[in-house]
Order: sequence, then structure tokens, then C-alpha cells
Amino acid sequence: DAKTTQPNSMESNEEEPVHLPCNHSTISGTDYIHWYRQLPSQGPEYVIHGLTSNVNNRMASLAIAEDRKSSTLILHRATLRDAAVYYCILRDLTNFGNEKLTFGTGTRLTIIP
Amino acid sequence: ETGVTQTPRHLVMGMTNKKSLKCEQHLGHNAMYWYKQSAKKPLELMFVYNFKEQTENNSVPSRFSPECPNSSHLFLHLHTLQPEDSALYLCASSQARGTYNEQFFGPGTRLTVL
Repeated sequence: DAKTTQPNSMESNEEEPVHLPCNHSTISGTDYIHWYRQLPSQGPEYVIHGLTSNVNNRMASLAIAEDRKSSTLILHRATLRDAAVYYCILRDLTNFGNEKLTFGTGTRLTIIP
Repeated sequence: ETGVTQTPRHLVMGMTNKKSLKCEQHLGHNAMYWYKQSAKKPLELMFVYNFKEQTENNSVPSRFSPECPNSSHLFLHLHTLQPEDSALYLCASSQARGTYNEQFFGPGTRLTVL
């Protein structure tokens, strides 16, 4: 399985943008890049995914490098509720065709009021 | 109820007990998953069910026995567990196949084995 590398932790001030990096130098051409996050005392939740082009949704933006060996999750205006562990995951499939999520240790994001 | 629910939220059991964890999804999905999150290890996939059939077992010890009676319900039967099995057990669901199917997670059951 292709692997991702993320910083263990980051801090950001409330109401400022946050850029969470992820390196995936062994990514293959068909690997989607997923981001999930896990808030304290909750299960993970989907944030965003992309393949080649930058992606935007109501939660965040995903900027993907041209060579696809790295990506950045962008929270445009962090709030205290964005404090969580953020996981960058490369797509894998089960034998049946389900999305297979292989979680790493992620980045623990702390928001400073 | 909406989303994915899990009961109980907390469970303490002895090594000789038998207990079950329950997961229910209200999203109309047809794939369900069990994950384990230990204090010192990343989230690990344990089992996958598609249309009530087990399609993936990630080398899980037999003291964990999953059951999926229908596409909305998933159980994890526990017996003769070890203290190292103490962890957060998370259930998730998704559509089985398609262009992209995000997984929706429940809040988890915090299990402590004494």
C-alpha cells in the first residue's frame, strides 16, 4: 500500500487559515487522496477527496501538487470545532471494491483561541 | 435516529465474559465495517460486510466474531478477550460500490477488558 507522511501536530489561531500538508511520494496514477478527521470522542468523518485537480467543498479545500506527490488540506477559517486529528489516506480497494481506508497517525490540529 | 449508532458506548468486561457490540446504520447503505482503534496504534480495519456477506477479514483472532443479519445491523460478539483487546471499536457504513463511497462512522464503543 502506498503510504502518506504527515506532521504529528500543528497549531493555528482561531479564524485564520490552516494548511495541513501530506506527502505521498509513492502514489500511483489511480490513487485518490482522501482526508478524514476525528474530533475528540467521536468516530472519523469524511472531509474531502481528490485525484488530480484541486477540490473545494463546504468543509475545506484540497490542493494537489502537479506531480501528485503531495497535497494540502486547507481550512479557510479555523474555528475551535476544527480541533481534531486529520488523516490523509491514499485510496485502496477491498477485494469486493469497497474504499479501504488505511489510517496512519495523522496530524493533531490544535486551535488557539 | 440518523447516521450510524453504536451501543453500548462504554463496556467493561472480564476475560471470561461474553458480550456483544451493536451497530446500526440509518443511511440505506449496503456495506458495513468494524475498525479497532488502540491507544498506541492507528485505526485498523477488522471486518467488511457487503450485502450481509463477510468479504474481508483482516486476520482478526477468532475471539472476535462478527455477525451481519441485514444491511442495517452489524454485531461484534466478544468472548475470552485479553487486556490488550481494550480499545475503541468503531463501526462504519458506506455504499458497497460506485465511483466513490465515503464511509460514515459511528461514535464507537470504548471497551475495557480486565
